[in-house]
Amino acid sequence: EIVLTQSPGTLSLSPGERATLSCRAGQSVTNDYLAWYQQKPGQAPRLLIYGASSRATGIPDRFSGSGSRTDFTLTISRLEPEDFALYYCQQYGISPLTFGGGTKVEIK
Amino acid sequence: QVQLVESGGGVVQPGGSLRLSCAASGFTFTNFGMNWVRQAPGKGLEWVAFVRYDGSNEKYADSVKGRFTISRDNSKNTLSLQMNSLRVEDTAVYYCAKDSKGSSWPYYMDVWGKGTTVTVSS
Repeated sequence: EIVLTQSPGTLSLSPGERATLSCRAGQSVTNDYLAWYQQKPGQAPRLLIYGASSRATGIPDRFSGSGSRTDFTLTISRLEPEDFALYYCQQYGISPLTFGGGTKVEIK
Repeated sequence: QVQLVESGGGVVQPGGSLRLSCAASGFTFTNFGMNWVRQAPGKGLEWVAFVRYDGSNEKYADSVKGRFTISRDNSKNTLSLQMNSLRVEDTAVYYCAKDSKGSSWPYYMDVWGKGTTVTVSS
């Protein structure tokens, strides 16, 4: 299975700052089939990005995804108070589906 | 609006069984694959199982293969997960999640339910 390693584990930033989250795959992700999700405490995950760089419906344009093959990045251009949460990457190119361990974005 | 509502969680002893259900509304259920994803307390997300839009193809994580069975009733817009031979390590919140495609293969998940909690403990 493809192991996804997310870094850093925790990102401490202030509102208005730029957040850069990394997701590294143990092998190439077929067709760049990588998604990003946001999860807040006590809530279900929410889809942000699919296909490495396509924003899901209703997702603000301050969220952007990039990367290919084994290295992917989620960027939040200017953090809003509601963006402090957990973020997971997920690959769907090779069986079985796998998720990264998550990055927590916390208020500094 | 698009909605998924899980039910059936609870406390069960190791070796026991439990059946989870998910009621879907607000979209054409028969057009999309469906997934179960779980999250152990304080841990990350783990994909559990997938069923094709017509119920003809199922896929499972190795950790549950042979113990869990995913199924769907398209006449009632419901998804189910039959969990047998439960282990302490199956303790988690179980989410029902709509697949983005009507494929034989799970893709990304664009709608999630709020989850139902399963606790396996003696």
